[in-house]
Amino acid sequence: DSGVTQTPKHLITATGQRVTLRCSPRSGDLSVYWYQQSLDQGLQFLIQYYNGEERAKGNILERFSAQQFPDLHSELNLSSLELGDSALYFCASSPGDRLRRQYFGPGTRLTVL
Amino acid sequence: AQSVTQLGSHVSVSEGALVLLRCNYSSSVPPYLFWYVQYPNQGLQLLLKYTSAATLVKGINGFEAEFKKSETSFHLTKPSAHMSDAAEYFCAVSAPNTGNQFYFGTGTSLTVIP
Repeated sequence: DSGVTQTPKHLITATGQRVTLRCSPRSGDLSVYWYQQSLDQGLQFLIQYYNGEERAKGNILERFSAQQFPDLHSELNLSSLELGDSALYFCASSPGDRLRRQYFGPGTRLTVL
Repeated sequence: AQSVTQLGSHVSVSEGALVLLRCNYSSSVPPYLFWYVQYPNQGLQLLLKYTSAATLVKGINGFEAEFKKSETSFHLTKPSAHMSDAAEYFCAVSAPNTGNQFYFGTGTSLTVIP
């Protein structure tokens, strides 16, 4: 158990819909990272937040957005969903802003029908 | 820019045999390098990392990796494979002055044959 929690575990929705994925980092970790894992794209870094502020941006679509709240939990919002958005979405946390070890959550499996 | 190439999407070894998973990186600055393991239906776990200290890095579960700058490689090895090592392995690269982004390889699926 990494100490990172993600909810929900599974999510099934339809094209055009909007969903929110939630991540609670390990106690004391200030950084949260979001990743998308799909069969055709592999593991893609989406975005990083550090203590409430966006710190790094990867291959995140404009239809996707994220935020980190004062209690350090983070949410990833996916809108206007397409079939290709079906994937595993991982959250990871680390103690600081530097390139320390990341602790990964169990992931949320999103299926868009 | 950074990138990672993992040679061999599938590797099979016999139980007790040497495990060698290949990773080559591209980075314009001295990189940080990582190996992660992913078991079925689980998140990624860090096996080991290189952050500019010793070039031979020892990780968990008997794995180790050697950073070879001249070959731009960071291959993962384990002297003797166990059945429990069957999993997906990911090499990743990052660099301290490039926005904290991590770039993962496409992964290598390791099968251990009894």
